[in-house]
Amino acid sequence: EVQLVESGGGLVQPGRSMKLSCAASGFTFSNYGMAWVRQAPTKGLEWVATISYDGSSTYYRDSVKGRFTISRDNAKSTLYLQMNSLRSEDTATYYCTRGYKMDAWGQGASVTVSS
Amino acid sequence: DIVLTQAPLSVSVTPGESASISCRSSKSLLSSKGITSLYWYLQRPGKSPQLLIYQMSNLASGVPDRFSSSGSETDFTLKISKVETEDVGVYYCGHRLEYPYTFGAGTKLELK
Repeated sequence: EVQLVESGGGLVQPGRSMKLSCAASGFTFSNYGMAWVRQAPTKGLEWVATISYDGSSTYYRDSVKGRFTISRDNAKSTLYLQMNSLRSEDTATYYCTRGYKMDAWGQGASVTVSS
Repeated sequence: DIVLTQAPLSVSVTPGESASISCRSSKSLLSSKGITSLYWYLQRPGKSPQLLIYQMSNLASGVPDRFSSSGSETDFTLKISKVETEDVGVYYCGHRLEYPYTFGAGTKLELK
């Protein structure tokens, strides 16, 4: 069974950093590109970043470019999202998703940016 | 950025009846490889989104064939026939044509 389990969320002050992790199992992680998608409270889905299967290519939405870094460790089957200089508008549930289809989603990690 | 406009924003359906949701793109989603890069997702209340349809008309694994999707290069329709209780939630269209990937605002399906 394909599983994606996010961790690392919580409450953080504006300007501070936080790192999310997504542990993958049930499939060959190194064969798939991966992405982070977020959802602000009561809002819709917003793509954040994508990384290629081998980590050689990364893509970001403009609002997080230069602040967020997506990375992966294929040996550990784990996806990461390093978030720096956090803003209140980054408050959201962050989902990791599999592949270009986004055919598997984690349960989400809640990130609240507030003083 | 490609803008995806969904309509209606909410729909109320009698169980057993059909429902249709529209998604209109500000740009053709037909790629140079001849693939229409339009996807549909369902987010049930309190749950994570799940893939329903990929590349405009292909049913994702495990999705009942009551769901179907069709369209052109810019106008798409998700049809749900014989709506069931488990179909309640918010439906999103999304594209993968180019970065940034974007989603529609969502259509909330409720039961009468």
